[in-house]
Amino acid sequence: DGGITQSPKYLFRKEGQNVTLSCEQNLNHDAMYWYRQDPGQGLRLIYYSQIVNDFQKGDIAEGYSVSREKKESFPLTVTSAQKNPTAFYLCASNEGAYSNQPQHFGDGTRLSIL
Amino acid sequence: AQKITQTQPGMFVQEKEAVTLDCTYDTSDQSYGLFWYKQPSSGEMIFLIYQGSYDEQNATEGRYSLNFQKARKSANLVISASQLGDSAMYFCAMRVITGGGADGLTFGKGTHLIIQP
Repeated sequence: DGGITQSPKYLFRKEGQNVTLSCEQNLNHDAMYWYRQDPGQGLRLIYYSQIVNDFQKGDIAEGYSVSREKKESFPLTVTSAQKNPTAFYLCASNEGAYSNQPQHFGDGTRLSIL
Repeated sequence: AQKITQTQPGMFVQEKEAVTLDCTYDTSDQSYGLFWYKQPSSGEMIFLIYQGSYDEQNATEGRYSLNFQKARKSANLVISASQLGDSAMYFCAMRVITGGGADGLTFGKGTHLIIQP
């Protein structure tokens, strides 16, 4: 089945540590996205990529970094500069060619501070 | 910048009743798309329905319909004949259409819908 796979499902970070969240899709989509969701809140855009080797900052990019070396992969690194990283992280993708296309989401990664 | 406002933090509805979830949006762009997503307690985001700013008819998808009032900048979701499985968080989202469909979505804070038997 085609879809988006996020791993791990749960992740714990120590103070001063960088952690990387994985996102892989086999939908052959050009565009990929990372969102952050805090409890009881909506999703906020961290980074997005419209094509391989290119990405743009979203609304809350500080303390995060991404790469897009392959079409199917868009990993997110939460750096030690992100002082409040505890949240639910969702990866999404869509073809990008047409505006009416919904974004498809992975099942998310829950990140907590130790 | 775009903004989505969902004014109902939580709603309780009797099973089989229709329910309307409110969504208002703010943008200076003329070309945009509006989406509704459902998020069960398990966390995944499920796409429900889409409305384009130039669409003349309200969108419908099975039990879901979108009441689009462009002049009022509102895009309310209507669920007919609610079911227990409809209990979830519901998010309204917007995409401004610049160079195609690859821009990120702006989300509201959501409405927690609980269907009571």
